[in-house]
Amino acid sequence: DTAVSQTPKYLVTQMGNDKSIKCEQNLGHDTMYWYKQDSKKFLKIMFSYNNKELIINETVPNRFSPKSPDKAHLNLHINSLELGDSAVYFCASAGASNQPQHFGDGTRLSIL
Amino acid sequence: AQTVTQSQPEMSVQEAETVTLSCTYDTSESNYYLFWYKQPPSRQMILVIRQEAYKQQNATENRFSVNFQKAAKSFSLKISDSQLGDTAMYFCALYSGGGADGLTFGKGTHLIIQP
Repeated sequence: DTAVSQTPKYLVTQMGNDKSIKCEQNLGHDTMYWYKQDSKKFLKIMFSYNNKELIINETVPNRFSPKSPDKAHLNLHINSLELGDSAVYFCASAGASNQPQHFGDGTRLSIL
Repeated sequence: AQTVTQSQPEMSVQEAETVTLSCTYDTSESNYYLFWYKQPPSRQMILVIRQEAYKQQNATENRFSVNFQKAAKSFSLKISDSQLGDTAMYFCALYSGGGADGLTFGKGTHLIIQP
């Protein structure tokens, strides 16, 4: 009964491909997020999504797009993958923006 | 823009010792929240402790406590009676709304507990 689950845990693919990472939370939270953790362990917010309102970090390329079929899911689609996209991607959720965020276990994306 | 700075990339202490991790932050908001997260080698992100800026009392959770100095914009984490399982990356994080509306993280401190 994992609270925030991401699939897959590891994703290895070639440059130029399109891939998706799925995220589901069973906590009944209203807000979900995607973060990117680079090779130096630095975590940076990519998106937040609350009640159909999407807030995008302006530094995120438009090749990245979050899609939310319902309140419990926020999937991440990445088009035309580049070498620099290699990182660990974390999904998180919270009851409200100022509440502690619960993180998934991360997806390590490796671009060959 | 808000920033979080952790000035200690790595620290190492003996088991059972007390260790303090530093964090300073900057935000123009008057209402904000501060967090410490732990990331062990398993890669999970685990909430350690949370502090609301409007509360003067320092938060504590068992062996973990913070020293919140609002005027100095400082939020340090103290770990008492350190244990081998405390070995991890520790991230200080700030939420103050605006921007992408998520947490702003520091670069982390790698804490190593030696037996």
